[in-house]
Amino acid sequence: EPEVTQTPSHQVTQMGQEVILRCVPISNHLYFYWYRQILGQKVEFLVSFYNNEISEKSEIFDDQFSVERPDGSNFTLKIRSTKLEDSAMYFCASSYRQGDEYEQYFGPGTRLTVT
Amino acid sequence: AQSVTQLDSHVSVSEGTPVLLRCNYSSSYSPSLFWYVQHPNKGLQLLLKYTSAATLVKGINGFEAEFKKSETSFHLTKPSAHMSDAAEYFCVVSSRQGGKLIFGQGTELSVKP
Repeated sequence: EPEVTQTPSHQVTQMGQEVILRCVPISNHLYFYWYRQILGQKVEFLVSFYNNEISEKSEIFDDQFSVERPDGSNFTLKIRSTKLEDSAMYFCASSYRQGDEYEQYFGPGTRLTVT
Repeated sequence: AQSVTQLDSHVSVSEGTPVLLRCNYSSSYSPSLFWYVQHPNKGLQLLLKYTSAATLVKGINGFEAEFKKSETSFHLTKPSAHMSDAAEYFCVVSSRQGGKLIFGQGTELSVKP
């Protein structure tokens, strides 16, 4: 069964450093998402991406964050200058179309630790 | 705005006994609701979804949920727990546009032998 993969599974970085989290969505999917979960808190939506453009973003997704699909298979989340509060589990998801009848498939997550 | 509240952060049951994970929602329109499960070191997996058809929804692994508009609830049940059901369960509502998912806090289910 096709699945969403994410690398690395765990990333440790120092405050102020740039990090790139990578995701490989399911190959025929067209919509891509990032969510995050700070320890002990809810899973929160960050951004959705379609046709090489951001289609929706949350208040969390400020200028420090960016997403791109550099090569038609990977989908990346970049944090330019990490803060301690960026420490969280980051989940990538993809779906064939947008809408409740189309399931979002999630990856296993990348745990980001900012020290 | 849409939101969901999971009423229990942790539920513990014995193997073979029923499971009940509670979820209440708030929405200004008729919502679409989901239950996702996360096993350790795995991605979030869709268990079942309600999208305005039958109010009793059956999902994978014997789970089901009933949409009750009068109670604004979408509780997840299973008649008989199995050890492999031990995981984190999330009640989720979708935004009106159908893209963004809004998660509850999660309920950790433990199953004792």
